Amino acid sequence: EAQVTQNPRYLITVTGKKLTVTCSQNMNHEYMSWYRQDPGLGLRQIYYSMNVEVTDKGDVPEGYKVSRKEKRNFPLILESPSPNQTSLYFCASILTLGGGNEQFFGPGTRLTVL
Amino acid sequence: GEDVEQSLFLSVREGDSSVINCTYTDSSSTYLYWYKQEPGAGLQLLTYIFSNMDMKQDQRLTVLLNKKDKHLSLRIADTQTGDSAIYFCAEIPNTGFQKLVFGTGTRLLVSP
Repeated sequence: EAQVTQNPRYLITVTGKKLTVTCSQNMNHEYMSWYRQDPGLGLRQIYYSMNVEVTDKGDVPEGYKVSRKEKRNFPLILESPSPNQTSLYFCASILTLGGGNEQFFGPGTRLTVL
Repeated sequence: GEDVEQSLFLSVREGDSSVINCTYTDSSSTYLYWYKQEPGAGLQLLTYIFSNMDMKQDQRLTVLLNKKDKHLSLRIADTQTGDSAIYFCAEIPNTGFQKLVFGTGTRLLVSP
């Protein structure tokens, strides 16, 4: 079954304590992306990756890092989380279609930073 | 610029039609999408329309695209309580096809 998995699904942490949210896809897609969802703002792209070792900033990259050492995995790293990073995070694996794309989303990770 | 707008809330009765509207600003968008998010779940792609189309129908769903007005709508016929969810429209901006620009989402509430 084609899927995108994220872990953990829920996380409560404290300011400054480094954390990593994992994302894995089994569709052999080259492109992957991270979004955050906040009330009234929809989803905003944090970072994306075009292939192994190729990543770039999205619209709201401040306070986040990513890595892409393997095609299937695209972890999101918060080196020093702050309360304004409390949000719902989605990883997406992207199938490119001539001029467009279809994005497959993970189930989401709800993060609370106290 | 990249901006996608939706109304925040829509309430309908079961069996009625629902129409969710969206306006976007990027006239060079090639694909426009509708996603559904059920409570506690991720986003599920409902349908998409290519920019050279005016209409696309898929079972109970009808998508209308007015490129001149940059207006996209999703019509759900015979709305069911299971259709209650948040619906997002999204576009691919001219800055890159690797991302989607999402609207704020419309919460659809279907009452029996």
